[in-house]
Amino acid sequence: NAGVTQTPKFRILKIGQSMTLQCTQDMNHNYMYWYRQDPGMGLKLIYYSVGAGITDKGEVPNGYNVSRSTTEDFPLRLELAAPSQTSVYFCASRSDSYEQYFGPGTRLTVT
Amino acid sequence: AQKITQTQPGMFVQEKEAVTLDCTYDTSDQSYGLFWYKQPSSGEMIFLIYQGSYDEQNATEGRYSLNFQKARKSANLVISASQLGDSAMYFCAARWGLGAGSYQLTFGKGTKLSVIP
Repeated sequence: NAGVTQTPKFRILKIGQSMTLQCTQDMNHNYMYWYRQDPGMGLKLIYYSVGAGITDKGEVPNGYNVSRSTTEDFPLRLELAAPSQTSVYFCASRSDSYEQYFGPGTRLTVT
Repeated sequence: AQKITQTQPGMFVQEKEAVTLDCTYDTSDQSYGLFWYKQPSSGEMIFLIYQGSYDEQNATEGRYSLNFQKARKSANLVISASQLGDSAMYFCAARWGLGAGSYQLTFGKGTKLSVIP
């Protein structure tokens, strides 16, 4: 099993550009999450999903959108990128046991 | 507000010694869970250990143990026999309650552990 995979690993965006961060899991987990980690800080929840077709906002959702059309995929969309969105983005999934499995992260720089 | 506090920005430990990383939490929920994650310099998040609020025994996983003191609202991580590979950031995290909030993790700011040869 590949677990949770994220693409791309690195990306540089100009202010105002848009992009989609991809996340896929092959563990048939219902629950999926997007976090961001700013330098020297812990992770903050952006959006989460409890199953295909169901998403909800986390602590810091502004400037992002998500969709969940399948169990496996949970893409994160950035519209009109801003320097404040420079961060490392982690996708995670979990089974019913509460443990969350994290992807390797995407390092995004907005200049 | 529910939150996690890690008061040690950085810690040093001699190789083969034990070290305790502090974590306190604030919640009024009766049901919650506490996690520790390791983040090496490569950046990935590695799950170490989990303790549920109703678990009577302290959780242990190999060299990791969680010193859970419910009355003090603390969930310290103890690493025994430190190894050079233990050098990393360590994050304490929690899920709160049984409803929708239990789907989310709240993270502390982390403690950077450096193991000295």
